[in-house]
Amino acid sequence: EVQLVESGGGLVQPGGSLRLSCAASGFTFSSYWMHWVRQAPGKGLVWVSRINSDGSSTTYADSVKGRFTISRDNAKNTVYLQMNSLRAEDTAVYYCVRGRLSILWGDYWGQGTLVTVSS
Amino acid sequence: DVVMTQSPLSLPVTLGQPASISCRSSQSLVYTDGNTYLNWFQQRPGQSPRRLIYKVSNRDSGVPDRFSGSGSGTDFTLKISRVEAEDVGVYYCMQSTHWPHTFGQGTKLEIK
Repeated sequence: EVQLVESGGGLVQPGGSLRLSCAASGFTFSSYWMHWVRQAPGKGLVWVSRINSDGSSTTYADSVKGRFTISRDNAKNTVYLQMNSLRAEDTAVYYCVRGRLSILWGDYWGQGTLVTVSS
Repeated sequence: DVVMTQSPLSLPVTLGQPASISCRSSQSLVYTDGNTYLNWFQQRPGQSPRRLIYKVSNRDSGVPDRFSGSGSGTDFTLKISRVEAEDVGVYYCMQSTHWPHTFGQGTKLEIK
């Protein structure tokens, strides 16, 4: 059974940092692209970042470019999202999402982890 | 960025009746490989999103056949042939042809 389990969310002050993790199981992790998508409270879905299967290629939404870094450890079947210089508008549930290709993705989602940026 | 516009944003439906959601993109979603990467997601209350349809009309495994997707170019539709109680939630279209990938605003389906 495919499972994606996010962790690392919490309350952080503006300007602070947080690292999210997403542990994958039930499939050959190293063969898949991985994405992060976020959803602010009561709002819609927004794509944040993606990483290719071997970690050599990454892409970011303009809103997080230069502040967030996506990475992966295929030996640990885990994808990460390092979030720095956090702002109130980064407050959201963050989902990790599996992708078969860079442009064909979304068949499995994690349960999400809530990040709250507030003083 | 490609803007995805859904309508209606709220959709009250009687149980057993059909429902239809429209999604329009600000530019063509035909990719260089000839495929159109338009997807539909369902998000039930309190749950993570679930993909229903990929590449316009392909149903994901386990998705009931009362869900169907159609369209081309910039105009797309998700249809539910007979709405059931478990279909309540928010439906999103998402294009993955152009970077950044973008979602529609969401359509909230409720039972009348």
